[in-house]
Amino acid sequence: GEDVEQSLFLSVREGDSSVINCTYTDSSSTYLYWYKQEPGAGLQLLTYIFSNMDMKQDQRLTVLLNKKDKHLSLRIADTQTGDSAIYFCAGPQHSNYQLIWGAGTKLIIKP
Amino acid sequence: KAGVTQTPRYLIKTRGQQVTLSCSPISGHRSVSWYQQTPGQGLQFLFEYFSETQRNKGNFPGRFSGRQFSNSRSEMNVSTLELGDSALYLCASIGVNTEAFFGQGTRLTVV
Repeated sequence: GEDVEQSLFLSVREGDSSVINCTYTDSSSTYLYWYKQEPGAGLQLLTYIFSNMDMKQDQRLTVLLNKKDKHLSLRIADTQTGDSAIYFCAGPQHSNYQLIWGAGTKLIIKP
Repeated sequence: KAGVTQTPRYLIKTRGQQVTLSCSPISGHRSVSWYQQTPGQGLQFLFEYFSETQRNKGNFPGRFSGRQFSNSRSEMNVSTLELGDSALYLCASIGVNTEAFFGQGTRLTVV
């Protein structure tokens, strides 16, 4: 079945760039999403990219999509302590448009 | 535009009891999805409702049920609670591009 995979942890120094990676199997996904979850809170939609795009930039966030390799990444420039959270990637599966979720990447910021 | 409202935020129940959780989606959204989030299992899809009909269902036992009203508000019910049902239950209001807008969640603790 369809699957979305992410690494579980990423540790970066404050001020550096963070790159969170995601691979997916459902090549028919029309949109792919990035969500942020802070402790004790729900998931916040950060950004999304349409499948006919290669890149989308939104302030400190850059999303890259490689459809050939089914690889999605989220780059956070100038990482701040407030970026500390779990980041999820998700995409709708073709069969029923339900979102398939990665396990989430915990971003740890070192001072 | 009001966001997604989930009530209650926190709940403590004993084994064997039942519980009802409520979700008010974003005005104009007709689709609501429910998820269970636990540290070990990540984000697990429960079910989705669209215009008062259950459109998709995840792999959960029949103790988990839901419904949607004509005003798009949704409830989910868990009967005969087990310790393993302790989790954060998230409701998502689904937008036109299948993007999910989440509420803050209901933290259920079963003792």
